[in-house]
This record gives sequence, C-alpha cells and structure tokens, in this order.
Amino acid sequence: NAGVTQTPKFRILKIGQSMTLQCAQDMNHNYMYWYRQDPGMGLKLIYYSVGAGITDKGEVPNGYNVSRSTTEDFPLRLELAAPSQTSVYFCASSYVGETQHFGDGTRLSIL
Amino acid sequence: DAKTTQPNSMESNEEEPVHLPCNHSTISGTDYIHWYRQLPSQGPEYVIHGLTSNVNNRMASLAIAEDRKSSTLILHRATLRDAAVYYCILRPLIQGAQKLVFGQGTRLTINP
Repeated sequence: NAGVTQTPKFRILKIGQSMTLQCAQDMNHNYMYWYRQDPGMGLKLIYYSVGAGITDKGEVPNGYNVSRSTTEDFPLRLELAAPSQTSVYFCASSYVGETQHFGDGTRLSIL
Repeated sequence: DAKTTQPNSMESNEEEPVHLPCNHSTISGTDYIHWYRQLPSQGPEYVIHGLTSNVNNRMASLAIAEDRKSSTLILHRATLRDAAVYYCILRPLIQGAQKLVFGQGTRLTINP
C-alpha cells in the first residue's frame, strides 16, 4: 500500500529559487495537510485542504502556496526560497474526523 | 487551543513497560486526547486516542485520569523499535479539518 507519497526526498535550493514539493495519496482521503518541522521542534501546519478546489491557511503560511485540483494530489509551492524555509516538510491526509496518515517527508536545504 | 505538557525525554530498558505522561489541565469537555509518535527520519504515525475511558489497541494503552487533566501512554513491553518522539495532542471533537498542534513531545530512548 502506497499511502502518502512525497517527492523529492531531498533537495538543495539556492536563495531566490522556487520549487514545488509533490504529495499524492491513494486512500481517497478528502482532507490533506502540509506541515514543516524545524530541528528539535514539533510540526507546524502550513496549509490544509478539505477537498478539491478548497484550501486554507494554517499557522505558518507565509512564503508558500498550495493548490488542490484533484482528490489525490496536494502540491506545495515555494516562491523565492529563503534560508528560513530550510526544514523537513511533511504531507498528511485523512478522512473527516479520522486520524492523519503522514508521508516520509521532504528534506529541504536552502543555501 | 488547549496546551499539553510532556517531559522532554525519558529512558527505559528493552522488554520493560514504559509510562509516558502528559498534562493537559486546560482540556475542554469535547477534546479528544491523541498520541502520535515519530520514528527517526519518518513522518509521525498514529498510536492511540481516547476521550474519557481508558483505551487499548495493538500498539499501546491510554490511561486517562478521572478529571481528564492528565493522561498516560503505556507501552507494555518496549522494544528497540519503540524509540521515537511521542506527541500528546488535543483535538476538538467538533472541528472541520484536524489541525493538529504538535508540541516538542517526549523523546523515548530504549536501552538494549
């Protein structure tokens, strides 16, 4: 079972570059989430989506954009990458009211 | 959001029981208590959750105090694979999306 798949697993960016972190789930979950985790800290919610075409901001949305055109996919876009965005990014999905299933993360360094 | 307090770290021996405490003195009547854990270099995974009564599943047990101001995650027989960061999280019963709020969690070390 694939579950939640994130690509790439690792990436190094230069300051000012942009990129898209991919997230796909095959469980037909309606809710999807993006979190970031800085070293030694818990996860913080960036954006979430309750279904195709519907997204909303979480706790730390600045510097990021999302879209949800299908149930399966929830890409996270970084525009003008900054060193403060160096982090591990986790995507998760769930049914409404159910527990979240997480991917294995994308480790992003911005130099 | 109601806050939880956990010890930063705990240590135990393999094949012994582990009791991981969590304080949540400002919990509301409709908050579920969720536990997730994060193994090294992986995303978090769900462990267990409860509202008022103690709960058991194949991974662990959850003991909830009568006043619900604290709870304890119990691993009955720890293995090396249980070494992880354990997060205690409160989730309101009535909520659209599950916006989980992660604290720093408890880092559990298991000695062979």
